[in-house]
Amino acid sequence: DAGITQSPRHKVTETGTPVTLRCHQTENHRYMYWYRQDPGHGLRLIHYSYGVKDTDKGEVSDGYSVSRSKTEDFLLTLESATSSQTSVYFCATGGDTYEQYFGPGTRLTVT
Amino acid sequence: DQQVKQNSPSLSVQEGRISILNCDYTNSMFDYFLWYKKYPAEGPTFLISISSIKDKNEDGRFTVFLNKSAKHLSLHIVPSQPGDSAVYFCAASMDTGRRALTFGSGTRLQVQP
Repeated sequence: DAGITQSPRHKVTETGTPVTLRCHQTENHRYMYWYRQDPGHGLRLIHYSYGVKDTDKGEVSDGYSVSRSKTEDFLLTLESATSSQTSVYFCATGGDTYEQYFGPGTRLTVT
Repeated sequence: DQQVKQNSPSLSVQEGRISILNCDYTNSMFDYFLWYKKYPAEGPTFLISISSIKDKNEDGRFTVFLNKSAKHLSLHIVPSQPGDSAVYFCAASMDTGRRALTFGSGTRLQVQP
């Protein structure tokens, strides 16, 4: 277990409002990822980071931005939330191997 | 277009029998494959993996088989236990530096006591 926490665990917000989700790790892993899980799609990569201040887009990055100012923290921001962003969001970390370790998830509802 | 496919949304087996979960992929650049287990309201947990240079990897009750020519892998659980009831995700990665995973849509396994 990589010691990954996510906050908040649940959030309900209105369309058009900004939302920031936080991921915190205690394992000093270099790689950090944000995925979203939707029925019928498994988990899809939103953004990832390969070091402090080094980030890049995943396959479903539209409407999302990320920041990583410290090794242990990776923030996901929805600049203006839409109903299509209602989902469960998972943060993951990875070290020198391919295995990734996931946080408990954040359930986000956009009304 | 899904590069990793799990065509069976659900599977039900009896306790003590074998569970076989299947996964197909389309991208021949994938060189590492993983299986994750997920319980409700929890994050996925890593179960077992296999490199493309191997065709089998075993860890206790779990064995993963890889058939590169068919672009197919499977997870065998023997014997199945009620605690194995969960959603299982197949994932694949390629050595591009970012180490991101491409997931299938998952198979819900129910092990009947």
